[in-house]
Amino acid sequence: RKEVEQDPGPFNVPEGATVAFNCTYSNSASQSFFWYRQDCRKEPKLLMSVYSSGNEDGRFTAQLNRASQYISLLIRDSKLSDSATYLCVVPAEGGGADGLTFGKGTHLIIQP
Amino acid sequence: DAGVIQSPRHEVTEMGQEVTLRCKPISGHDYLFWYRQTMMRGLELLIYFNNNVPIDDSGMPEDRFSAKMPNASFSTLKIQPSEPRDSAVYFCANSGNTGELFFGEGSRLTVL
Repeated sequence: RKEVEQDPGPFNVPEGATVAFNCTYSNSASQSFFWYRQDCRKEPKLLMSVYSSGNEDGRFTAQLNRASQYISLLIRDSKLSDSATYLCVVPAEGGGADGLTFGKGTHLIIQP
Repeated sequence: DAGVIQSPRHEVTEMGQEVTLRCKPISGHDYLFWYRQTMMRGLELLIYFNNNVPIDDSGMPEDRFSAKMPNASFSTLKIQPSEPRDSAVYFCANSGNTGELFFGEGSRLTVL
């Protein structure tokens, strides 16, 4: 299994719909995880951190399934401004920023 | 704080030329990372520093690549000689105690 694997998409979703995508990881020792958002021709920015079983922030919910080694990102009531690439980030066992592995990202397009 | 500042934003050069990318990190953030992003390979860590000291340069592709951090407020990534396959977006990123990565806007390099 690749270290961090994501479906590249694109996911084409109508505005207002709910969309979810997963990220699988190979390092079973990883404790915390992150979702970064990257807009077209921009830099990645932290969207959410995922500890223990999951995290919720407004319309965004991130969940962690340790047994199956995947994390998911769910977006409810999607907005046009949610169109971006979502990068799954998995740290090494130590958990610091020095051991992060980025997935290649899932491209999301919200359509009016 | 203005965040991580990178220059140049765009550079087009010819094969064989020397390229120098610059980064001014966020004050007080101990870790500095250089990443490269391409469509094919995604975000790849090239090298990172902790308190100005290079810690891991295993991601540097070849001897043509070198990076320095002479002080806490400045870092450079140099490619000499450049090749077309070096074309990519190069990001400088900072991290403090939280583990969150703060990226600069990137330097888009095209080698003809």
